[in-house]
Amino acid sequence: GNSVTQMEGPVTLSEEAFLTINCTYTATGYPSLFWYVQYPGEGLQLLLKATKADDKGSNKGFEATYRKETTSFHLEKGSVQVSDSAVYFCALSDRGGSEKLVFGKGTKLTVNP
Amino acid sequence: DVKVTQSSRYLVKRTGEKVFLECVQDMDHENMFWYRQDPGLGLRLIYFSYDVKMKEKGDIPEGYSVSREKKERFSLILESASTNQTSMYLCASSLMGSQREKLFFGSGTQLSVL
Repeated sequence: GNSVTQMEGPVTLSEEAFLTINCTYTATGYPSLFWYVQYPGEGLQLLLKATKADDKGSNKGFEATYRKETTSFHLEKGSVQVSDSAVYFCALSDRGGSEKLVFGKGTKLTVNP
Repeated sequence: DVKVTQSSRYLVKRTGEKVFLECVQDMDHENMFWYRQDPGLGLRLIYFSYDVKMKEKGDIPEGYSVSREKKERFSLILESASTNQTSMYLCASSLMGSQREKLFFGSGTQLSVL
């Protein structure tokens, strides 16, 4: 079945550091890929997505590139801020018609001033 | 903005009680979902619904049931609560079609079963 594996957390960085959160997937066919973010005390919200190989999703300074050859969708940001502290979830969607997403376990990021 | 509202932020119940978790969305979304979120396990899908009175089992439906009598409301029911159902419960909704993958989540209900 479809699955998502993301790096174990927690991740602690200083402000302005470079961020990478690794995500790899297993899927039949050609899934769409997503990063969702959950800020403290809130529900998840979509951060970015990519729907086909070599697509790059980007939002709020975050980027992720759909790499079919390595089945990966790593999240990156060049300079993190304290306000980026949150839990980040990688997810995939089976484009065969299923209405549901499969989520990774989440990676907690803490950014210190 | 789409709003997904969960009726309680915190809930404390006793073992064996019947528990209702309510979720309402205000943007006429066809799809609605219930997830539970546990440390180290991430989000796991319990049930989802793509239309009124329709429901489908997710990955961990045991011990739960759902009800969708109106399009905007999706209820999760714990028939006889147990301590292993202590968790954060998240409701979500989405449109059908090409936008179905963009989920809008509520803020969650932290349920403690004693």
